[in-house]
Amino acid sequence: AQSVTQLGSHVSVSEGALVLLRCNYSSSVPPYLFWYVQYPNQGLQLLLKYTSAATLVKGINGFEAEFKKSETSFHLTKPSAHMSDAAEYFCAVRGGNTGKLIFGQGTTLQVKP
Amino acid sequence: GAVVSQHPSWVICKSGTSVKIECRSLDFQATTMFWYRQFPKQSLMLMATSNEGSKATYEQGVEKDKFLINHASLTLSTLTVTSAHPEDSSFYICSARTGTDGGETQYFGPGTRLLVL
Repeated sequence: AQSVTQLGSHVSVSEGALVLLRCNYSSSVPPYLFWYVQYPNQGLQLLLKYTSAATLVKGINGFEAEFKKSETSFHLTKPSAHMSDAAEYFCAVRGGNTGKLIFGQGTTLQVKP
Repeated sequence: GAVVSQHPSWVICKSGTSVKIECRSLDFQATTMFWYRQFPKQSLMLMATSNEGSKATYEQGVEKDKFLINHASLTLSTLTVTSAHPEDSSFYICSARTGTDGGETQYFGPGTRLLVL
């Protein structure tokens, strides 16, 4: 069975600082991994996805994530945080053949001026 | 990009009434749609998988008679909360899947906030 663990329910960075949101997965098959962002009272927006192509995946808004099989990780990074990046971030793995997503617990990103 | 809409965005109803939430894929056809429930400050919980032209597949612990799902066309799925009670108050989010295996992605609607009084 697939699962996802996001380390740190709350991350706080200063504007301009590096953003690092951690995600570790468990999967018995090659995983498809996703990062989504959720702004207050809104749905989820896809940031990026890994589907067994390049291990370094670039997404929207300057975010990228690196798939590391040896570490079973898919951490999300951004070199320089903006105030507008403050939101809830979810890592997810596709579960089985049904295509359903299994989400991590979420990480709240706070950006301080 | 792929756009998914939900209607209504907000609904307040009295206990015992039924509420219907629509999920539409606006610029693509989705053979599969998903319904999630999210409590405040928590992650998304998958309720059911909705396939066009067939019965929905419900996750363990989700009452199928309580949460009726209909996927009438390739662009529309509906979730009906029957005989709603205050504990059904939540944020309901749908998603629609597009693409083929390996490249498939779920696109999410903006969510529907339900408050049952």
